[in-house]
Amino acid sequence: DSGVTQTPKHLITATGQRVTLRCSPRSGDLSVYWYQQSLDQGLQFLIQYYNGEERAKGNILERFSAQQFPDLHSELNLSSLELGDSALYFCASSVGVGPTDTQYFGPGTRLTVL
Amino acid sequence: GESVGLHLPTLSVQEGDNSIINCAYSNSASDYFIWYKQESGKGPQFIIDIRSNMDKRQGQRVTVLLNKTVKHLSLQIAATQPGDSAVYFCAEYRGGAQKLVFGQGTRLTINP
Repeated sequence: DSGVTQTPKHLITATGQRVTLRCSPRSGDLSVYWYQQSLDQGLQFLIQYYNGEERAKGNILERFSAQQFPDLHSELNLSSLELGDSALYFCASSVGVGPTDTQYFGPGTRLTVL
Repeated sequence: GESVGLHLPTLSVQEGDNSIINCAYSNSASDYFIWYKQESGKGPQFIIDIRSNMDKRQGQRVTVLLNKTVKHLSLQIAATQPGDSAVYFCAEYRGGAQKLVFGQGTRLTINP
């Protein structure tokens, strides 16, 4: 158990809908990262927050957005869903922002768009 | 470019044997590399890391080798156990973009 929790574990929805994925980082970690894992694209970095502020951005679509709240939990919002958005979404957390701060991954949310 | 690739998508070894998982990276400016292990139904788990100013680092039963000349990274697992069966990813830290770039992964299967 990494100490990172993600809810829900599974999510099934229809195209055009909007969903919210939730992540609670490990106690004491200030950074939260979101990743998408699909069969064709592998594990792709989406976005990072540090202590409530956006820190780095990766291959995140404009239909997707995220935020980190004062209690440090984070939410990833996915809207106007398409079939291709079906994937595993992982959250990771680390103490700081440096590359050598180990990222601890949660168990993921499996999103299926029908 | 945006590529951290793996030479072999699958690898099968006998329990007790040593295994070597390879990874090629393309960005010579990357200065930090990590190996992750992902078991079925779980998120990636940190195994070992190495900075670009090193060419070898050892952990418990694992060794990472870095060859910057040919931009190659490898993970050696000694005396493999059934619990080592997983997908292994190499990841490269790109400081400019402040992000980890992951390879596609190699599935390691340990045969009894």
